[in-house]
Amino acid sequence: DSGVTQTPKHLITATGQRVTLRCSPRSGDLSVYWYQQSLDQGLQFLIQYYNGEERAKGNILERFSAQQFPDLHSELNLSSLELGDSALYFCASSAGGAIGNTIYFGEGSWLTVV
Amino acid sequence: EDQVTQSPEALRLQEGESSSLNCSYTVSGLRGLFWYRQDPGKGPEFLFTLYSAGEEKEKERLKATLTKKESFLHITAPKPEDSATYLCAVQAKGGATNKLIFGTGTLLAVQP
Repeated sequence: DSGVTQTPKHLITATGQRVTLRCSPRSGDLSVYWYQQSLDQGLQFLIQYYNGEERAKGNILERFSAQQFPDLHSELNLSSLELGDSALYFCASSAGGAIGNTIYFGEGSWLTVV
Repeated sequence: EDQVTQSPEALRLQEGESSSLNCSYTVSGLRGLFWYRQDPGKGPEFLFTLYSAGEEKEKERLKATLTKKESFLHITAPKPEDSATYLCAVQAKGGATNKLIFGTGTLLAVQP
């Protein structure tokens, strides 16, 4: 158990809908990362937050947004969903600040868009 | 552009048959190279971090090594429970982020 908690574990929704994925980082970790993993691609970095502020953006679509709250949990919002958004979405966390510190991953949220 | 390439894509071994997985990387400056193990439908599980060329780390049947251009994950006398996808990732120097850039992984199957 990495200590990173993600909900829901599985989600099935229709095209055009909006969903929210939730992540609680490991206790004490200030950085939260979101990654997308689809069948034909590896882990793609979406976005990072550090202590409530956006730190880095990767291949995140404009239909997607994220935030990190004062209690450090994070949410990834996916809107106007398309079939191609079906994937495993991982949240990860690290202590933040220190160079090269380890990033720990949650178990992921399976999103299926039908 | 920072890039990670892993080979082979898939590897099938007999139990006890040692082998190595390769991770080649191109990065402007390496902060750290990470190895993770991922079981189907699960999150990546951290194995090792290597920071500089020449560094080695071991854990049970796994040993990771690092050069200036690549890393190897050596698996000695593997067991069926070592079957998983092994992911390599790099953290680049510079900027305010320590995000990981992943390779596409090596799917390892160990047959009894």
